Amino acid sequence: EDKVVQSPLSLVVHEGDTVTLNCSYEVTNFRSLLWYKQEKKAPTFLFMLTSSGIEKKSGRLSSILDKKELFSILNITATQTGDSAIYLCAVATGTASKLTFGTGTRLQVTL
Amino acid sequence: DAGITQSPRYKITETGRQVTLMCHQTWSHSYMFWYRQDLGHGLRLIYYSAAADITDKGEVPDGYVVSRSKTENFPLTLESATRSQTSVYFCASSGARDSPYGYTFGSGTRLTVV
Repeated sequence: EDKVVQSPLSLVVHEGDTVTLNCSYEVTNFRSLLWYKQEKKAPTFLFMLTSSGIEKKSGRLSSILDKKELFSILNITATQTGDSAIYLCAVATGTASKLTFGTGTRLQVTL
Repeated sequence: DAGITQSPRYKITETGRQVTLMCHQTWSHSYMFWYRQDLGHGLRLIYYSAAADITDKGEVPDGYVVSRSKTENFPLTLESATRSQTSVYFCASSGARDSPYGYTFGSGTRLTVV
């Protein structure tokens, strides 16, 4: 059974802090790892990672994958209250690239 | 409207009734998926489809039926609703197996079974 585990489950930080969210996985037929942000509605796509060691960046967010140790991290620098959300990690597997999700990390950024 | 739309947004139904959740996408994406989201479980895959007339079970398919006669539509039917099927249901689509844009999700249907 494919498994994706995220940590921490929840996190409260002050605006301006840097946070690191973790995602580890045990799956068969790995294709890629994806990060999503979920506020009140549907998850929105952040990154897709397929190769180890290559950092993906978008503004204050960045992510990297380690396929040997089977984990990924999502970094958010200079956090803002708008970063408050649930961050979901998912791994795509198999011929249809179906996603298995972790339970998410709930991030709250306070003033 | 372009994109992926789900209907209804909210639904309350009684135990034992059949209910169908609709999903429509305008991109002609090949891949479509149904997920349910519950506290403590995250998003779990119910069914998926790689193309019209091709569907397959996900992690939690029991009690659900899907069809895909047209590329743009992927309805999910609960044959006889149970309270354990109270959840938020998300439909998603992807244009390619490893699209660099990931999946795009619909806005979800909040289903309550009483």
